[in-house]
Amino acid sequence: QLVLTQSPSVSASLGASVKLTCTLSSGHDTYAIAWHQQQPEKGPRYLMKLNSDGSHSKGDGIPDRFSGSSSGAERYLTISRLQSEDEADYYCQTWGSGMQVFGGGTKVTVL
Amino acid sequence: QLQLQESGPGLVKSSETLSLTCIVSGGSISTTSYYWGWIRQPPGKGLEWVGDIYYSGNAYYNPSLKSRVTISADKAKNQLSLKLRSVTAADTAVYYCARLIAVSSIIDYWGQGTLVPVSS
Repeated sequence: QLVLTQSPSVSASLGASVKLTCTLSSGHDTYAIAWHQQQPEKGPRYLMKLNSDGSHSKGDGIPDRFSGSSSGAERYLTISRLQSEDEADYYCQTWGSGMQVFGGGTKVTVL
Repeated sequence: QLQLQESGPGLVKSSETLSLTCIVSGGSISTTSYYWGWIRQPPGKGLEWVGDIYYSGNAYYNPSLKSRVTISADKAKNQLSLKLRSVTAADTAVYYCARLIAVSSIIDYWGQGTLVPVSS
């Protein structure tokens, strides 16, 4: 069964960097995923598609501060030079076994 | 610029049918490059896939909702519809429509969502 696992929360200081992890369940380590950002009281916004080789393509208008990388079954989203507007929930998403699958989300708090 | 706008009744009574529409502008739903989906989010919780519909008209649903849900597309009006029957309080959520890239099944556009409370 395809499952995406994310840590519930992370915090970092303004101007610092943070690295979020989305882990694919066993047997699915070649899957691409997408990262989505959901700011408070808003709908999700597509950030990027991230492939198993670490290559990624970002959505329109996504700042260079957002980047992606991969290692095995893990998919990472790194946010550099954290800004207050980066405080949000971040979800990973993929498709498999005939259905869309979402991670549980990681809440990023900017201190 | 693609825009997806959900609309619905605002409040649904328990045991009745929830009906939502997603109007797509700035792009056509009649394309094989993309397909279209519905996702929901209960208050304070994460995202849950409801179902997708393809250019062919074939639709696929979350197994946990399959017996109660129907997704359809009106190509002439360039809009999508969602119907969820026999709702309960557990169906209270913000409902989003989304566009998915056909070759990768990645969501690349989201609507702003519409909150549908279910009253008992």
